Amino acid sequence: NAGVTQTPKFQVLKTGQSMTLQCAQDMNHNSMYWYRQDPGMGLRLIYYSASEGTTDKGEVPNGYNVSRLNKREFSLRLESAAPSQTSVYFCASSEDQDSYGYTFGSGTRLTVV
Amino acid sequence: GEDVEQSLFLSVREGDSSVINCTYTDSSSTYLYWYKQEPGAGLQLLTYIFSNMDMKQDQRLTVLLNKKDKHLSLRIADTQTGDSAIYFCAESIGGTALIFGKGTTLSVSS
Repeated sequence: NAGVTQTPKFQVLKTGQSMTLQCAQDMNHNSMYWYRQDPGMGLRLIYYSASEGTTDKGEVPNGYNVSRLNKREFSLRLESAAPSQTSVYFCASSEDQDSYGYTFGSGTRLTVV
Repeated sequence: GEDVEQSLFLSVREGDSSVINCTYTDSSSTYLYWYKQEPGAGLQLLTYIFSNMDMKQDQRLTVLLNKKDKHLSLRIADTQTGDSAIYFCAESIGGTALIFGKGTTLSVSS
């Protein structure tokens, strides 16, 4: 099925551990995004990639790094996880930054203990 | 700076109309969107409106845009229990990513 695939769906980390959240899209979209969703906070943009080879910080980039590996894949890395990074992480893609509508993945639920 | 505000909760009875409101701050928004999130799932695009339009209708959904007041609303006619979800308003400002509101939880009782 066409869309945005995120792995893993669930993860528990200990404080200080590192991990990479994977995201891949098969719609030939140019732009990709990482958001986090916290109760009562809505979705907040962590990083985005307008096109292959570019990445930019969003509203809450601290503690995260990203890699736009190729046009299909955009990964999010937590180098040293903290409890404040417990959240649901969503990857999304769009044809380009000005096109209407994003396609979202189903999310990664991350708990840091 | 950009900000999108929504009320957090709305409760309606099945068969009634639901109206979810949103205000945004950036007058240069090109598109405004409504997304729906069901429990445990990602966000799905419900509908969108271009900034030069006042209204858009799509089956049971009606979007109204008041650019002067920077106010956007989503009306769901004949609300069903399957409409229970979180609804997000979002604005698109050219050159950056979508800015989302905090979401309105719609609860539909039978």
